[in-house]
Amino acid sequence: AQSVAQPEDQVNVAEGNPLTVKCTYSVSGNPYLFWYVQYPNRGLQFLLKYITGDNLVKGSYGFEAEFNKSQTSFHLKKPSALVSDSALYFCAVRDMGGGSTLGRLYFGRGTQLTVWP
Amino acid sequence: DGGITQSPKYLFRKEGQNVTLSCEQNLNHDAMYWYRQDPGQGLRLIYYSQIVNDFQKGDIAEGYSVSREKKESFPLTVTSAQKNPTAFYLCASSRGEGPLQETQYFGPGTRLLVL
Repeated sequence: AQSVAQPEDQVNVAEGNPLTVKCTYSVSGNPYLFWYVQYPNRGLQFLLKYITGDNLVKGSYGFEAEFNKSQTSFHLKKPSALVSDSALYFCAVRDMGGGSTLGRLYFGRGTQLTVWP
Repeated sequence: DGGITQSPKYLFRKEGQNVTLSCEQNLNHDAMYWYRQDPGQGLRLIYYSQIVNDFQKGDIAEGYSVSREKKESFPLTVTSAQKNPTAFYLCASSRGEGPLQETQYFGPGTRLLVL
């Protein structure tokens, strides 16, 4: 069964400092991994995804994520945090099994990122 | 949020009442999804549909019903059997199968409150 864990409920970082939001996954087969961001009372916005290829994936708003197969991790990173990056971040893995479950995503519980000035 | 609309933004339900949340997309996506979001619990899948006139239960389908009569529309009904409906409901869509087509895009959400 597919699952995703985000071990930190909250991450706090000062503006200008690098940030990391952690994600680990468990899948059968090759993983398709995603990061989404949610601002208050809004829907989720797609940030980036890993399908295959380079382990470092670049996405929107200066975010990137590093896929590590041996550690089954897909941590979200940004070299220099902005106050406007403060939001709720979700990691997700796609079900690659056959049958009617193909295509559904499994989400982590989310990590609240706060960047203070 | 572009291309996927949800209405209303806020919805109030009286006890024993069925209410329907609307989700429409103009992205020509085959697959559509409904999620429920509660604080600290992430997103939980209610129902999903990979093609018109077909849908499958997700992890928390009890007390909910859906229909998929048109490709663009996937309404969710919260029935009186759902005893704790207060939550933020998110609709999503994706192009369907294929490695480059699996990104789900989300609508702005509907917040359901019980009177």
